[in-house]
Amino acid sequence: AQSVTQPDIHITVSEGASLELRCNYSYGATPYLFWYVQSPGQGLQLLLKYFSGDTLVQGIKGFEAEFKRSQSSFNLRKPSVHWSDAAEYFCAVGATGGGNKLTFGTGTQLKVEL
Amino acid sequence: EPEVTQTPSHQVTQMGQEVILRCVPISNHLYFYWYRQILGQKVEFLVSFYNNEISEKSEIFDDQFSVERPDGSNFTLKIRSTKLEDSAMYFCASSAANNQPQHFGDGTRLSIL
Repeated sequence: AQSVTQPDIHITVSEGASLELRCNYSYGATPYLFWYVQSPGQGLQLLLKYFSGDTLVQGIKGFEAEFKRSQSSFNLRKPSVHWSDAAEYFCAVGATGGGNKLTFGTGTQLKVEL
Repeated sequence: EPEVTQTPSHQVTQMGQEVILRCVPISNHLYFYWYRQILGQKVEFLVSFYNNEISEKSEIFDDQFSVERPDGSNFTLKIRSTKLEDSAMYFCASSAANNQPQHFGDGTRLSIL
């Protein structure tokens, strides 16, 4: 069964500082991997995705993530955080066949200090 | 940019009543999904739907739940006899193909009294 672990429940960074949110997955084959962001009262917005190919993927709002098969990781990074990045971030793994369900991690709540 | 729309944004229902949550997926998408998020917990898969039938469902999606695509634009989730533990945010999503990203609506907050 597929699973996702986000070990950090809360992270606080200063505006302008770099950010890395950790994500580890478990899946029997090459996975589809996603990062979504959720602002309070809002839905899930797709930040970026990895399906295949280049292991460093670029997303919206200046975010990037790197797929490392050897570490079963897909960490999200941003070189300089803005106050508007404060939100909850979810890593998800998608099945590569069948119903294509997404399995989400428990999320990381990001707080940005001004 | 096209988006998934969900109505209502908030639904309050008495325990034991039936509730229907509505979604309009992105128009050229073929795959449809429902997820739920209980307050403070992670987003959980309920069901996926393609070609007018369920592709996959989770153990949460028991006989009290059903999905339907009644016309060419709507995708609904029905809970036949609601329980207190059905209180959650319900998200609809759609994708163009089963190897394409899922796009989510803003959710319906369901409160069971």
